Amino acid sequence: GAVVSQHPSWVICKSGTSVKIECRSLDFQATTMFWYRQFPKQSLMLMATSNEGSKATYEQGVEKDKFLINHASLTLSTLTVTSAHPEDSSFYICSARGNTGELFFGEGSRLTVL
Amino acid sequence: DAKTTQPPSMDCAEGRAANLPCNHSTISGNEYVYWYRQIHSQGPQYIIHGLKNNETNEMASLIITEDRKSSTLILPHATLRDTAVYYCIVRVAVGLSGGSNYKLTFGKGTLLTVNP
Repeated sequence: GAVVSQHPSWVICKSGTSVKIECRSLDFQATTMFWYRQFPKQSLMLMATSNEGSKATYEQGVEKDKFLINHASLTLSTLTVTSAHPEDSSFYICSARGNTGELFFGEGSRLTVL
Repeated sequence: DAKTTQPPSMDCAEGRAANLPCNHSTISGNEYVYWYRQIHSQGPQYIIHGLKNNETNEMASLIITEDRKSSTLILPHATLRDTAVYYCIVRVAVGLSGGSNYKLTFGKGTLLTVNP
């Protein structure tokens, strides 16, 4: 099946710094990518939808200036958590949709903000 | 997308069949039933999907009731590695109006624990 890779798989940073997470579709072109956040023992919560070459669409309650999403190519989307704080510590998961319309998920990136 | 209801947790003995139920009483005619699972600290994994006929693949079987208001995912011979949260999601099929623009919304799922 199609492969979606996230990097880094885990990251620890100090409060106030910014962290960038990459999501790559390795063997297909992804016109749309989705970013989810998951807190411990909770379900995945959709944060935003990003389409290649256009601005991301954020879900209600998600701060677009804090969670910057860039989808500059058909194989790469990035999520930057700006001025991270401990409450931003979470498991961030991306998914990518190819031409067939099916969704493939990345392995997730665990962010810990000290 | 229609809402789904799943039991929060289930237990199953290793080697036995695991039957995971899902209620989706408000499903509409053009919505498919999808199942994903998430093993701890990993991204979700696609399992199977169906519209109204029962479906089977190498991972599982999907039984959908005739009125389509509920379904059951069956893992025929559960192993310890099948311990995960299983999500039942209904959504418009790809290719239909709005289908190519869907976004997956996850409920709370069912935590299946397979015991030795």
